[in-house]
Amino acid sequence: DAKTTQPNSMESNEEEPVHLPCNHSTISGTDYIHWYRQLPSQGPEYVIHGLTSNVNNRMASLAIAEDRKSSTLILHRATLRDAAVYYCILRNRDDKIIFGKGTRLHILP
Amino acid sequence: DGGITQSPKYLFRKEGQNVTLSCEQNLNHDAMYWYRQDPGQGLRLIYYSQIVNDFQKGDIAEGYSVSREKKESFPLTVTSAQKNPTAFYLCASSMDRVVGTEAFFGQGTRLTVV
Repeated sequence: DAKTTQPNSMESNEEEPVHLPCNHSTISGTDYIHWYRQLPSQGPEYVIHGLTSNVNNRMASLAIAEDRKSSTLILHRATLRDAAVYYCILRNRDDKIIFGKGTRLHILP
Repeated sequence: DGGITQSPKYLFRKEGQNVTLSCEQNLNHDAMYWYRQDPGQGLRLIYYSQIVNDFQKGDIAEGYSVSREKKESFPLTVTSAQKNPTAFYLCASSMDRVVGTEAFFGQGTRLTVV
């Protein structure tokens, strides 16, 4: 079973920041937090990952709570192309990648 | 360019027939995965392989079989024992045991059994 909990859906206005939450209360010390997103009828694509510190890349930022039991994916300025299902995943050394149901993000023009 | 390729994109088969879905990667990745996705649902793990000639069952392996004879290839066979095979199938690969790197996904094969 997935080890993360995400809201089923969220809405945001275009050109505004979006904060997508993820709870992972049973995270272990060696689990990395990964985020992927899936556009309709496509395979998922990598967004960002982190272990303990906050991370930034060209697509998004990842804010990780100090106790690592939750994290937030931040899209700084949402566009219509960001409408997708966003998955928060924990990866550890047994290398299974288990997906939950994700958050469906709707962007309002 | 490096990447992961699934073929075909769409596949139609008659009920009771076995069908094999192709997945090839040229990323030199050790680990490969197969997932099934039903409409409006998340991805469910079917099988995964961390090294050539070895693979493990995922959460929904019944009715499926795989092989890993080459590092680049991880074909999935949907057998007649799979009760509801119509679905979107996704293949992925990643560096083995290097958990700080991302997985790469193919564009999927949509299988319809009639």
